[in-house]
Amino acid sequence: RKEVEQDPGPFNVPEGATVAFNCTYSNSASQSFFWYRQDCRKEPKLLMSVYSSGNEDGRFTAQLNRASQYISLLIRDSKLSDSATYLCVVNRQAGTALIFGKGTTLSVSS
Amino acid sequence: DVKVTQSSRYLVKRTGEKVFLECVQDMDHENMFWYRQDPGLGLRLIYFSYDVKMKEKGDIPEGYSVSREKKERFSLILESASTNQTSMYLCASSSRRPREAHEQYFGPGTRLTVT
Repeated sequence: RKEVEQDPGPFNVPEGATVAFNCTYSNSASQSFFWYRQDCRKEPKLLMSVYSSGNEDGRFTAQLNRASQYISLLIRDSKLSDSATYLCVVNRQAGTALIFGKGTTLSVSS
Repeated sequence: DVKVTQSSRYLVKRTGEKVFLECVQDMDHENMFWYRQDPGLGLRLIYFSYDVKMKEKGDIPEGYSVSREKKERFSLILESASTNQTSMYLCASSSRRPREAHEQYFGPGTRLTVT
């Protein structure tokens, strides 16, 4: 079983739609969780951290369920510029290497 | 503005050649990483370094070696390139501080083709 698993998609949605991505991780000792975004032919960049209490950044909401070892990312009111691959990322221990999921591809159309 | 640069955006090498991929960061970061990214396989960690002259194997170190002689520079070496090493290679760096270590800054990548 892969340490971080995501539905690869692609998710094809119209502008204005709400879309949710899910991710599961297998190592219960994992400590930190993040979403990175990677545009086509570009490098990955940190989108947001994920906390048990949930956190929101504008149209983006991230949630963590430690009991189920499940992470989610919700995007409301999708924009064309949201089209990208979203990578679920887990850190076993602070300061150690990150573990990246394979990514979920989102395509927003007008 | 933080910056990670890689020596080449595109590289074509022949099977058996020795290949050097260079990465430089200007953020005084302690941690540096080398990944390869392939369709359907995602980002896979090859090697990482927590300090000068220190290195740790990642998930797929076979066929690669690394060098970290200076804090700002982390080199990936393919001793004898093979066609299965054709890939996109991404370098990244991060601070050692616990609150910042999770944010890795990536270079633009080097697309290596081995013929």
